Amino acid sequence: DIQMTQSPSSLSASVGDRVTITCQASQDISNYLNWYQQKPGKAPKLLIYDASNLETGVPSRFSGSGSGTDFTFTISSLQPEDIATYYCQQYDNLRLTFGGGTKVEIK
Amino acid sequence: EVQLVQSGAEVKKPGESLKISCKGSGYSFTSYWIGWVRQMPGKGLEWMGIIYPGDSDTRYSPSFQGQVTISADKSISTAYLQWSSLKASDTAMYYCARLRWDCSGGSCTAYFDYWGQGTLVTVSS
Repeated sequence: DIQMTQSPSSLSASVGDRVTITCQASQDISNYLNWYQQKPGKAPKLLIYDASNLETGVPSRFSGSGSGTDFTFTISSLQPEDIATYYCQQYDNLRLTFGGGTKVEIK
Repeated sequence: EVQLVQSGAEVKKPGESLKISCKGSGYSFTSYWIGWVRQMPGKGLEWMGIIYPGDSDTRYSPSFQGQVTISADKSISTAYLQWSSLKASDTAMYYCARLRWDCSGGSCTAYFDYWGQGTLVTVSS
């Protein structure tokens, strides 16, 4: 099965900072990569699909890039409401895997 | 409006059986895969498996194959996750989610676009 290595596992940044999270696949997954946000006590929410497509209604400060094995998720200007854990997720022929998650906190 | 409504929290003893549910509404239930995701206390998301209610085609994560059973009743737009003999390590929040899966032109997309509110399962003696 394809493994997803997400880093860092946690980070602390100031409001307005640019935040970057990476996800590395154990083999080529083309652009079959999604990003989710999970706030405490809530279900996850889709932010980015197919590596770089912004889900409808998601603020444009969120973006994603990459293909093959290396992917990046960026918050261009961190806001207080962005405090959450972020997960990447790959899909390969209907076998899915989540990354370990990145907890984002405000400094 | 698309909604997935899950059954309520459960408290069970080790060795007991359990079936939790996820009812879909606001869309064609038989046209989308439904997935189940486990989140153990303080831990990350783990994909358990998916089912296509239209024909009950089911795929399991190797980590959960043989440990749980995923099923669906399309007549009542409901998917299920069940255990025959619970263990303390099954204590977790379980989410169902609709999988948007489209393949065309040699390229596919698959993402969970709607999620249930979660069902907390506690297994303790």
